[in-house]
Amino acid sequence: GQNIDQPTEMTATEGAIVQINCTYQTSGFNGLFWYQQHAGEAPTFLSYNVLDGLEEKGRFSSFLSRSKGYSYLLLKELQMKDSASYLCAVMDSNYQLIWGAGTKLIIKP
Amino acid sequence: ETGVTQTPRHLVMGMTNKKSLKCEQHLGHNAMYWYKQSAKKPLELMFVYNFKEQTENNSVPSRFSPECPNSSHLFLHLHTLQPEDSALYLCASSPNHEISGNTIYFGEGSWLTVV
Repeated sequence: GQNIDQPTEMTATEGAIVQINCTYQTSGFNGLFWYQQHAGEAPTFLSYNVLDGLEEKGRFSSFLSRSKGYSYLLLKELQMKDSASYLCAVMDSNYQLIWGAGTKLIIKP
Repeated sequence: ETGVTQTPRHLVMGMTNKKSLKCEQHLGHNAMYWYKQSAKKPLELMFVYNFKEQTENNSVPSRFSPECPNSSHLFLHLHTLQPEDSALYLCASSPNHEISGNTIYFGEGSWLTVV
């Protein structure tokens, strides 16, 4: 079956760096997405990786290794507003999005 | 503002009621989706419409009935729901389903409670 694994919850300190991991097993691969979802709000698109390597976008970076079925989202200079759930999703060979259950990130002062 | 608007934001309904959720997108997209989000579970895709044609129905019970009159509007008609159907229902849109890199954009969601 198809599966996305990510930690349920992580805690980090304001100003620090945190890495949220995502591993996947899917039928084919057409890209990996990261979304941010604040409590009670819509998930919002953060990044898309389809080739191996690191994509940097301001304080957020996303890394992909297709051979390892692995991605991470790196958040630098953490701010309180970064407290949210982070969703990992993989598009399989049928262009279906397979979603992880999300990682709740708690930022402490 | 995500460009995808859902109403109502909150809905409480009895098991014998009939209600509808509405979604409208202002992004010029051709695909629209209904997802169910329950606590600590992955998003569950319910229905997909691509160019107004339903292309996905992921074994959703018939008490949920979608309607897509045009590429900008999507409805989810609800009748004789069960308490376990209580969840956040998310509408989303994207430029075109079934293409690589197709990024979907979500609405704020409709919180549904079935009593």
